[in-house]
Amino acid sequence: DQQVKQNSPSLSVQEGRISILNCDYTNSMFDYFLWYKKYPAEGPTFLISISSIKDKNEDGRFTVFLNKSAKHLSLHIVPSQPGDSAVYFCAASKGGTSYGKLTFGQGTILTVHP
Amino acid sequence: DTAVSQTPKYLVTQMGNDKSIKCEQNLGHDTMYWYKQDSKKFLKIMFSYNNKELIINETVPNRFSPKSPDKAHLNLHINSLELGDSAVYFCASSQDIQTIYFGPGTRLLVL
Repeated sequence: DQQVKQNSPSLSVQEGRISILNCDYTNSMFDYFLWYKKYPAEGPTFLISISSIKDKNEDGRFTVFLNKSAKHLSLHIVPSQPGDSAVYFCAASKGGTSYGKLTFGQGTILTVHP
Repeated sequence: DTAVSQTPKYLVTQMGNDKSIKCEQNLGHDTMYWYKQDSKKFLKIMFSYNNKELIINETVPNRFSPKSPDKAHLNLHINSLELGDSAVYFCASSQDIQTIYFGPGTRLLVL
């Protein structure tokens, strides 16, 4: 049962344009959401997060939007840069005794062309 | 300075062997984890330890045994390796939900 889904396996964007990565979840108990970035042969790196009490969180070029009623979140990268090319994972947590237990999506490969 | 380090980076072994993966974090975090990324690229939690105590144990075969000698180390021992154990194993640590730091991964191939 896949509780976190990233339905786009890949996304290709021109440098300078906006990248929008999407993520859907099914478990309404999730209350904290994170995005991780992963380069080949490296571990995932934390990018940005959002609590379920918010609908938007911004950090520099990265903004995460949360739509709880639709159980959907998205990551916007503006402007996109070639160095952003990586696999992006969406993750969710229920908190409480599930602290630190992240449920990951299957990832979206982002390619930013110069 | 590497925050979360794992050894070895690559591990190729025969079915039936026993192997260990070591993990160390120098961040002073209280909680450490093992995650597995399977052939379909899903990252799934296996175990988590808080101050050397097991707090999360997902449905993992008991051939997998984590050991935490101290707060900074969480090793993973695997007995009687099977073909299906081939995967990338990531160690991670955190002090809170937001800052989960992952190691570079150990690529295990069972022949």
